[in-house]
Amino acid sequence: QQQVKQSPQSLIVQKGGISIINCAYENTAFDYFPWYQQFPGKGPALLIAIRPDVSEKKEGRFTISFNKSAKQFSLHIMDSQPGDSATYFCAASREEAAGNKLTFGGGTRVLVKP
Amino acid sequence: DAGITQSPRHKVTETGTPVTLRCHQTENHRYMYWYRQDPGHGLRLIHYSYGVKDTDKGEVSDGYSVSRSKTEDFLLTLESATSSQTSVYFCAISDGPGNTIYFGEGSWLTVV
Repeated sequence: QQQVKQSPQSLIVQKGGISIINCAYENTAFDYFPWYQQFPGKGPALLIAIRPDVSEKKEGRFTISFNKSAKQFSLHIMDSQPGDSATYFCAASREEAAGNKLTFGGGTRVLVKP
Repeated sequence: DAGITQSPRHKVTETGTPVTLRCHQTENHRYMYWYRQDPGHGLRLIHYSYGVKDTDKGEVSDGYSVSRSKTEDFLLTLESATSSQTSVYFCAISDGPGNTIYFGEGSWLTVV
């Protein structure tokens, strides 16, 4: 049972374009939704995160949109650059639950063409 | 980078042999985790620890055991490696609820 579903599995975008990755979750107890960025051969690194008390969070070219009623959240990468080429993972957790454990989506491989 | 060191970084082992992966942290974080990463599955939690000698199972714990005798070290053991355990294993650390979870560089394990 996959509690966090991520789409698409891969996408190709031209430099300067917008990359959009979507995630849907099932557990309404989740209250923390981070996005991780992973480059080949490296571990995932936190990119941006949101909590359900806000509908949008922006950090530089990266924006999370959150729809609590639909149980969906998405990552928008504006003005995509070749250096953004990486795999992106959405995740969710119950922060106060024992262990603060993250449940991940399946990942999206993003390729930004120059 | 968070002070997380995983060893070995790469290992090839034979089916049926025991394997131990080590995670060492220098951040004095309370929580430590072991995840495995497989194509299409993202990262899945194997086991986690919320203190010295305090551990619990994750969603894919069968065939794995862990130990944490010191704050800084978290060991993952495959008692009898199988080909289905070929994967990339990531250690992660956190200082608890509300804090970022940091990942190590990964350990590539191939079971032949």
